Amino acid sequence: GQQLNQSPQSMFIQEGEDVSMNCTSSSIFNTWLWYKQDPGEGPVLLIALYKAGELTSNGRLTAQFGITRKDSFLNISASIPSDVGIYFCAVNTGANSKLTFGKGITLSVRP
Amino acid sequence: GAVVSQHPSRVICKSGTSVKIECRSLDFQATTMFWYRQFPKQSLMLMATSNEGSKATYEQGVEKDKFLINHASLTLSTLTVTSAHPEDSSFYICSARDEVGVETQYFGPGTRLLVL
Repeated sequence: GQQLNQSPQSMFIQEGEDVSMNCTSSSIFNTWLWYKQDPGEGPVLLIALYKAGELTSNGRLTAQFGITRKDSFLNISASIPSDVGIYFCAVNTGANSKLTFGKGITLSVRP
Repeated sequence: GAVVSQHPSRVICKSGTSVKIECRSLDFQATTMFWYRQFPKQSLMLMATSNEGSKATYEQGVEKDKFLINHASLTLSTLTVTSAHPEDSSFYICSARDEVGVETQYFGPGTRLLVL
């Protein structure tokens, strides 16, 4: 089936640092989404990308939809402790806008 | 932004009993809702697509008789785990699709199920 690749599984950064996360696929998708999940909570949509090459920002977050439509990256600038959580990329697959999620990257921020 | 609620947030039950989880879209109508399951340190796995007024569509490997889905109104979908067993213990998350404007899925806060 369709697979989204996110690695590494965990990232550790210092407060104030920037961090970039990548999500790749062997298939083409027309919508890329980035979600953040806090422990014991449901995912929250951070950024949605609908057009190849699109660069979108949401506060300290910036995400880009790759030109090949097979990848996307999410950048967090000037990280703060509340950025801790699991970051998932997701794509729309099939009818009814079903989502397929990557395995997620757990981000830890050292104060 | 749009809000999706789930009830209960946590449930502990005995093996063999059935558990119902509710998912509500609070400020928008959703003809389509989705049910996911998430094991510790793993990603979300789609279980089924809940369609208002019609039968749910289950993903491969998900037993429809075990996980009963009812989507009786445009703001409510329920997932019933029938004859629950310890291996059904998991985090169940629903999402609702807001079809107005740019289509977006909003997720509920999840339900932690523990089957003893």
